[in-house]
Amino acid sequence: GAVVSQHPSWVICKSGTSVKIECRSLDFQATTMFWYRQFPKQSLMLMATSNEGSKATYEQGVEKDKFLINHASLTLSTLTVTSAHPEDSSFYICSASSSGSNEQYFGPGTRLTVT
Amino acid sequence: DAKTTQPNSMESNEEEPVHLPCNHSTISGTDYIHWYRQLPSQGPEYVIHGLTSNVNNRMASLAIAEDRKSSTLILHRATLRDAAVYYCILRDVIIGRDDKIIFGKGTRLHILP
Repeated sequence: GAVVSQHPSWVICKSGTSVKIECRSLDFQATTMFWYRQFPKQSLMLMATSNEGSKATYEQGVEKDKFLINHASLTLSTLTVTSAHPEDSSFYICSASSSGSNEQYFGPGTRLTVT
Repeated sequence: DAKTTQPNSMESNEEEPVHLPCNHSTISGTDYIHWYRQLPSQGPEYVIHGLTSNVNNRMASLAIAEDRKSSTLILHRATLRDAAVYYCILRDVIIGRDDKIIFGKGTRLHILP
């Protein structure tokens, strides 16, 4: 089956710094990637949708200048949390799909802790 | 996405069957019924999906009501590793119309040893 990886699996950073999370499709070309955020005991919340080579589309209430998304290739999308604050501490999950398919494959998630 | 309604939580004994219900009374004719599950501290994983007929795979079975307004995910013999949050999601069959997956609260399944 299709595999999506995320790196790092967990990260701790200091308040005010930026952190980058990578999402890779390992065995297929991901024309579309999605980024989710999940707080403890809550469901996944979609943050943005990114298509390869295009600007990401952000969901209402998600600050595009704070959560920078780059989808420069068919196998890699990155999410950069800029000027992170403790309230940004969360579990970030990406998913990917290929052209002509509705199937989405999820990454294992990245746990971000901002101190 | 059309809305789905699931119980917040359920409990089952190990090695017994589990029936997880989902109501989707506003389902449209082109909506597939998808089930995903999320194990603790992991990303969601696909379980099964169907349109009208009941479906079986190695993980589970999906029973769909004749009017398609409800469905039931069946785990035939639950193990401790099946403890997870199970999400019932409707997705349009037409590619490109419903690319995003919007997750509801799901059902948290507890398995008792």
